[in-house]
Amino acid sequence: SAVISQKPSRDICQRGTSLTIQCQVDSQVTMMFWYRQQPGQSLTLIATANQGSEATYESGFVIDKFPISRPNLTFSTLTVSNMSPEDSSIYLCSVESGVGTGELFFGEGSRLTVL
Amino acid sequence: DAKTTQPPSMDCAEGRAANLPCNHSTISGNEYVYWYRQIHSQGPQYIIHGLKNNETNEMASLIITEDRKSSTLILPHATLRDTAVYYCIVRVATYGQNFVFGPGTRLSVLP
Repeated sequence: SAVISQKPSRDICQRGTSLTIQCQVDSQVTMMFWYRQQPGQSLTLIATANQGSEATYESGFVIDKFPISRPNLTFSTLTVSNMSPEDSSIYLCSVESGVGTGELFFGEGSRLTVL
Repeated sequence: DAKTTQPPSMDCAEGRAANLPCNHSTISGNEYVYWYRQIHSQGPQYIIHGLKNNETNEMASLIITEDRKSSTLILPHATLRDTAVYYCIVRVATYGQNFVFGPGTRLSVLP
């Protein structure tokens, strides 16, 4: 299993500002995944972050809005840029077990409210 | 788009078995069925997965039909703490392959 810590756990932000969410894993992993969960909705994958390469973004998500860093095998950040109220969501970091079973482990999420 | 169909909500009496169905009629031969759940205000939690055989672990049992077009997650003795949204996902078991979450089933375990 993997233990994932996210910071901040929640924040209230002003429109037009940016916020960086940190994700720390207790073991080295090749891929880290960032999901968004809008209020009352299911999870949507934003991007996949590989160490040493550019993140791969899903349709509807762009690097300028959600820049991602992956400086090493245990850490990643997601920035939500130029926020608007529509960005109010829970942002979740996850990793795969990596042993072929395909189990995903999730952090507790970062709940952002944009005023 | 999610490849699965689940009822939006279900109720279950505490102590009884909760049987959560999932339809995945377009599942491919190399795709597994995964179940996750999300308790309010927490990140999703892995429950179980399988390819074609029935599977059981300490949390639940997974029953997959012979044609693999549907499956049922069974919580044998539901407790109030099992109240959550349950997600059924089909996916190739390749490292890094995307998990597509549908709306899931909101299970309410009633006292």
